Amino acid sequence: GIQVEQSPPDLILQEGANSTLRCNFSDSVNNLQWFHQNPWGQLINLFYIPSGTKQNGRLSATTVATERYSLLYISSSQTTDSGVYFCAVHPTGGGNKLTFGTGTQLKVEL
Amino acid sequence: SAVISQKPSRDICQRGTSLTIQCQVDSQVTMMFWYRQQPGQSLTLIATANQGSEATYESGFVIDKFPISRPNLTFSTLTVSNMSPEDSSIYLCSVEGGGTDTQYFGPGTRLTVL
Repeated sequence: GIQVEQSPPDLILQEGANSTLRCNFSDSVNNLQWFHQNPWGQLINLFYIPSGTKQNGRLSATTVATERYSLLYISSSQTTDSGVYFCAVHPTGGGNKLTFGTGTQLKVEL
Repeated sequence: SAVISQKPSRDICQRGTSLTIQCQVDSQVTMMFWYRQQPGQSLTLIATANQGSEATYESGFVIDKFPISRPNLTFSTLTVSNMSPEDSSIYLCSVEGGGTDTQYFGPGTRLTVL
């Protein structure tokens, strides 16, 4: 099956810093989503982004499907950005099944 | 988007017992999905539940261990049977919504098995 790898696995930032999270996938996909899992376990949708670039406030995402990767940019990070960031893909021909990446654990410190 | 609730939010259970987790959606949906997230790990799909048909289980998950019901288009249950400490996980349900195949997740059920 498709492999979805995220990097870095762990990241510590000072408040106000910027960061880039990466998601690599091993096969073609129909779509890609980015999620933030807060410390209480809730998964929050950030982006539905099968291709191109989207921005939402301090967050933006870019997916280059032909090169099989996606990037999530966090600018001016805040302590509330802490948690785990997951990308998840619908593999082409895989129906509605979402395959999740390995995750990036982010901690933002004062 | 869809608003999804789960019950219970957390539970502590004894090994050998069973727990049924409920998932309620605020709109009618064709498919509902159940995921497991073991401690410190990513999410893994357990099964896909369509209303009016048997659930489709992923490799490594079986109906006897994780029976699923889908009585209508807004509700589903997942039972974790004959539990062992290895079943300690967060269990999440999700649905597609918003006119695309975007998936939305419930708040999860945090299960601890002693």
